[in-house]
Amino acid sequence: ILNVEQSPQSLHVQEGDSTNFTCSFPSSNFYALHWYRWETAKSPEALFVMTLNGDEKKKGRISATLNTKEGYSYLYIKGSQPEDSATYLCAPFSGGYNKLIFGAGTRLAVHP
Amino acid sequence: DVKVTQSSRYLVKRTGEKVFLECVQDMDHENMFWYRQDPGLGLRLIYFSYDVKMKEKGDIPEGYSVSREKKERFSLILESASTNQTSMYLCASRQNQPQHFGDGTRLSIL
Repeated sequence: ILNVEQSPQSLHVQEGDSTNFTCSFPSSNFYALHWYRWETAKSPEALFVMTLNGDEKKKGRISATLNTKEGYSYLYIKGSQPEDSATYLCAPFSGGYNKLIFGAGTRLAVHP
Repeated sequence: DVKVTQSSRYLVKRTGEKVFLECVQDMDHENMFWYRQDPGLGLRLIYFSYDVKMKEKGDIPEGYSVSREKKERFSLILESASTNQTSMYLCASRQNQPQHFGDGTRLSIL
């Protein structure tokens, strides 16, 4: 079983702050990395699927980078808004029936 | 848009009961998954299925079984519910990437 670590576990920021969090995973047998946003009372929603070392993806104020050689990905949120409050999950994808292995998530709270 | 529908948002059952959680997807996806989510832990895979009548154990299958008689429906069964199965249960489906999730069922076993 892959050991996927996300840090920090939780984060409180003020509206307008920029923030970032980390997903670490074993670099062997890597195929892809998924990022999901999970808002309270909603279903997890896919943000990014990243496959190549050095990949950078962007969706509005949210962006992500990927380093497959050292086994980490960063998620950045520029100018956080209260609607960004959610749990952000990362999940590397590695062989064996194509199972995603989820980290415990980073819980972000953005205060007005 | 892909729609993954779980039959109940909240469910309360008693210890020893047989519990069925239903999940339906409308996009003809081959792969379907059941997870549970507990505080401080990531989504943990219980069972998955890559085709009708096919099932594979995930990381925590003990105390659960599944059924996939039709492509669109994947059922999770708690054979004899216990209090340690109180949790949030999420169903997901996928054809390629990414994965699409239902809204979850918060199950309480009393």
